Amino acid sequence: AQSVAQPEDQVNVAEGNPLTVKCTYSVSGNPYLFWYVQYPNRGLQFLLKYITGDNLVKGSYGFEAEFNKSQTSFHLKKPSALVSDSALYFCAVRPYAFRGGYQKVTFGIGTKLQVIP
Amino acid sequence: GAGVSQSPRYKVAKRGQDVALRCDPISGHVSLFWYQQALGQGPEFLTYFQNEAQLDKSGLPSDRFFAERPEGSVSTLKIQRTQQEDSAVYLCASSSPGSGGYVETQYFGPGTRLLVL
Repeated sequence: AQSVAQPEDQVNVAEGNPLTVKCTYSVSGNPYLFWYVQYPNRGLQFLLKYITGDNLVKGSYGFEAEFNKSQTSFHLKKPSALVSDSALYFCAVRPYAFRGGYQKVTFGIGTKLQVIP
Repeated sequence: GAGVSQSPRYKVAKRGQDVALRCDPISGHVSLFWYQQALGQGPEFLTYFQNEAQLDKSGLPSDRFFAERPEGSVSTLKIQRTQQEDSAVYLCASSSPGSGGYVETQYFGPGTRLLVL
């Protein structure tokens, strides 16, 4: 069965400092990996995804994530944090499917990011 | 429409009452997903539609949960004889179909917060 681990319940970072939100995964075969952000009383918003190719994926709002196959990790990063980045971040995984067919997506429990002014 | 919409946004039900939650996906999106998000948890998969066909309902927690999408657009999640443990945010997501290995991105609605008393 596939799974996602987000080991930190909360990450605190000072505004302007780099941030990292950690994610490790377990899946059969090659993974497809996603990051979503959730603001209070809002649905999840897509940030970025890894399918194949370059291990460094760039996404919305200056976020990027690095896929590391040997460590089964997909950590979210941003060079300079903003107060407005404070939110709940979810990592998700699904297995490879031939021709992009349907596969269930599994989410982590989320990491709360607090950016301190 | 511009995004996925859900109604009602908030629902309070007495234990034993039936509820119906509505999802309007992005126009033209073939795939539709329902998730349950308990407090402090990530979204948990409930069910998946491709057009009007319910292709995966493995995540529905009991036979009290029923989902439909009769015309391949709007979907309704129905919960019969609600229990306190059904209290959660119910999220709907839609996506364009994958083809040739393209991995679709799921776009989420704001969710319906259900409280069962």
